[in-house]
Amino acid sequence: QTVVTQEPSFSVSPGGTVTLTCGLSSGSVSTSHYPSWYQQTPGQAPRTLMYSTNTRSSGVPDRFSGSILGNRAALTITGAQADDESGYYCVLYMGSGIWVFGGGTKVTVL
Amino acid sequence: QVQLVESGGGVVQPGRSLRLSCAASGFTFSYYPMHWVRQAPGKGLEWVAVISYDGANRYYADSVKGRFTISRDSSKNTLNLQMNSLRVEDTAVYFCARDSSRYYTGMDVWGQGTTVTVS
Repeated sequence: QTVVTQEPSFSVSPGGTVTLTCGLSSGSVSTSHYPSWYQQTPGQAPRTLMYSTNTRSSGVPDRFSGSILGNRAALTITGAQADDESGYYCVLYMGSGIWVFGGGTKVTVL
Repeated sequence: QVQLVESGGGVVQPGRSLRLSCAASGFTFSYYPMHWVRQAPGKGLEWVAVISYDGANRYYADSVKGRFTISRDSSKNTLNLQMNSLRVEDTAVYFCARDSSRYYTGMDVWGQGTTVTVS
């Protein structure tokens, strides 16, 4: 069973830049996995940031960007703000209709 | 505006059944595949199932295959999840989500969720 991996946590300074990644326990992530990224605070529904690698969802500021970096998908936050402190999840399409979420990354802004 | 509203959650005993619904509005429901995603208390997101835009194809996570059935009624703009043989580990908030295109490119619109407790 393929596992989708994310860093458990990350810390970033206000105004700083952080890159979260999303990988596979076996193999490389490509655009064919349609990597998508979601932000979630406790008790709330997920908020879509990015889908299909680098398509920004409506209303998402351009300081969020998606890409493929090496063998992983990446979400970069530039100019981090206090309200970026949240959980971030990626999901990958495995083919045959199957999707798998990563375990999530908790981002702290301090 | 584009909106998804889940309903049907509740408390149910192990082995029993429950049916969740998701009412869609503000977009052409029949154009998009639709997903169910769940989140157990204190845990991450888990993809559960997806149904194609026309209802012809349905796919499930291994954890629910054979017990859950996803369906849609485009005449009512409604997505459903029939959950049978429920287990304690099915306890979660269940979200419905729209896919971003006709052909599985990632979820883009989410409902607020409905809570299922199996106990």
